[in-house]
Amino acid sequence: DIQMTQSPSSLSASVGDRVTITCQATRDIRNFLNWYQEKPGKAPKLLVYDASKLATGVPSRFSGGGSGTHFTFTITSLQPEDSATYYCQQYDNLLFYTFGQGTKLEIK
Amino acid sequence: EVQLLESGGGLVQPGGSLRLSCAASGFSFSDYAMSWIRQAPGKGLEWVSAFSGTGGGTFYADSVKGRFTISRDNSKDTLFLQMNSLKAEDTAIYYCARSAVVATPFDYWGQGTLVTVSS
Repeated sequence: DIQMTQSPSSLSASVGDRVTITCQATRDIRNFLNWYQEKPGKAPKLLVYDASKLATGVPSRFSGGGSGTHFTFTITSLQPEDSATYYCQQYDNLLFYTFGQGTKLEIK
Repeated sequence: EVQLLESGGGLVQPGGSLRLSCAASGFSFSDYAMSWIRQAPGKGLEWVSAFSGTGGGTFYADSVKGRFTISRDNSKDTLFLQMNSLKAEDTAIYYCARSAVVATPFDYWGQGTLVTVSS
């Protein structure tokens, strides 16, 4: 199975800051990588798909990059509502999806 | 508006069974693949099972294969997960999620239903 290593597991930043989360795959997954946002009591939300494409309605301060085994997710100009847990997810393997361990983002 | 509403969660003893439902609205349910994804307390997300929108293919994570059965009723726009031989490690919030086809991003999720397996 493909394993996804996401880092950091948590981070704290201030409004207006830029933060980056990384996700490493154990083998080449081309660009089959998504990023989701999860807030307590709410349905998870797709933010970025195919490594770098923004989902419908997602603000442009969110972005994704990378291919192969190394991926990044960046939020520029942090907003208070960005406080959440973020997950990467690979779907290169037709039969199995794998999520990263998650990154909990706190806004100071 | 796309909506997914899970139900059927609750407290069940180890070895017991539970059937989850996910009522869909706001889209052509039969045209989409549907999945169940779970999150154990304090843990990350784990994909559990998927049902293709066409062709009727079903897929399972190794951790639930042989114990869980996914099904769907396209006439009622509803997805199901029959969970048998439940273990403590199946305790989690169970989400249903939509994707265009199997092995594509989950573009809509429900808010989840909690399953607790405990004696």
